[in-house]
Amino acid sequence: EVKLVESGGGLVKSGGSLRLSCAASGFTFSDAWMTWVRQAPGKGLEWVGRIKSKTDGGTTDYAAPVKGRFTISRDDSKNTLFLQMSSLKTEDTAVYYCTTGFGELYPWGQGTLVTVSS
Amino acid sequence: DIQMTQSPSSLSASVGDRVTITCRASQHISSWLAWYQLKPEKAPKSLIYAASSLQSGVPSRFSGSGSGTEFTLTISSLQPEDFATYYCQQYNSFPLTFGGGTKVEIK
Repeated sequence: EVKLVESGGGLVKSGGSLRLSCAASGFTFSDAWMTWVRQAPGKGLEWVGRIKSKTDGGTTDYAAPVKGRFTISRDDSKNTLFLQMSSLKTEDTAVYYCTTGFGELYPWGQGTLVTVSS
Repeated sequence: DIQMTQSPSSLSASVGDRVTITCRASQHISSWLAWYQLKPEKAPKSLIYAASSLQSGVPSRFSGSGSGTEFTLTISSLQPEDFATYYCQQYNSFPLTFGGGTKVEIK
């Protein structure tokens, strides 16, 4: 069974940092392009960024609101995806989901809540 | 960035009703469109990819159609477990963008 489990969410003050993890199982993680998507309270889904597989270059792309503050990385030996978030703002408060796919995203984890207080 | 516009933003329907949700892209995206179902406290579920292909395990009452800039998601006979929020997403170009969502509520 393909499974993605996010962790690391919590309450952090504005300007602070947090690292999210996503543990993957049930598929060849090293071949997968991995993506982070978030949903702010009462809002819709927002793409955060993605990392390609190492065989496809391992490069990253980010949404404009997080570029320069968030960093996506991966540890293929541990089947784990990371999202390092720094200089956090109150508007980064959201449930963060990890997911996989080249375009359509399937499957998704259950998400982890990040709350940034002022 | 490609803007995705969904309509309606919410609707009320009864079990057994036929429900149609529309998604419009600000640019031509061929058939690079997916649909997702979101419920509180649950992992988002992929329903449709490539505009009309049903994801494995998704009931056949769900269907998708369209190409270019206009797309629809249809639920042929609404079931109690279908009350949720639905999102379209384009993957023709980066950044990936989502529609604003359509909340399907019980009438």
